[in-house]
Amino acid sequence: AQSVTQLGSHVSVSEGALVLLRCNYSSSVPPYLFWYVQYPNQGLQLLLKYTSAATLVKGINGFEAEFKKSETSFHLTKPSAHMSDAAEYFCAVSDRFGDYKLSFGAGTTVTVRA
Amino acid sequence: DAGVIQSPRHEVTEMGQEVTLRCKPISGHDYLFWYRQTMMRGLELLIYFNNNVPIDDSGMPEDRFSAKMPNASFSTLKIQPSEPRDSAVYFCASSLRVSGGKKYNEQFFGPGTRLTVL
Repeated sequence: AQSVTQLGSHVSVSEGALVLLRCNYSSSVPPYLFWYVQYPNQGLQLLLKYTSAATLVKGINGFEAEFKKSETSFHLTKPSAHMSDAAEYFCAVSDRFGDYKLSFGAGTTVTVRA
Repeated sequence: DAGVIQSPRHEVTEMGQEVTLRCKPISGHDYLFWYRQTMMRGLELLIYFNNNVPIDDSGMPEDRFSAKMPNASFSTLKIQPSEPRDSAVYFCASSLRVSGGKKYNEQFFGPGTRLTVL
């Protein structure tokens, strides 16, 4: 079964600083990969997805992620953090063929310091 | 466009009572998923449907949990009898598998139902 590991359950950054959230997947075949964001008391919202086109994927709110097959990674970055980026972020993986389920990582909570 | 709609948004009930959570997926979507989110276990997939048919219910924790999808625009998740350990946020999500020959796997989530069982 596909799985993802998010390194770091909490990340604290200063406003204007780089945001880097790490995600590694376990699969011998490149899967579909996703980053979702969850604001307090809300559902999950898709930030971006990798489905086999460009390895550098741009998403909403200035976020981007790079798929690196050699490292089995799909890290999420944003050059300059805003206060509004404070939320929980989930990496998710789906099989490219067959099973259509998403497997989610444990999540990383981002706090932004003024 | 209306997103995934869930009701109620909050539910407080007493142990032993029946609880029914409702979900209306995005029109035209052919997959529907039920998730449970807790601090201890994170986000867990309970069950999912394709074209109203349950495909995988291996995540349903016990026989106390049941889910139905009588038509393409409505699904329920029922807990009977409820227990305090069922307290969690329950999310419904929907997805469109294939459109115009392209495959899509992203899921669109509802706002969730926060269930508290006393």
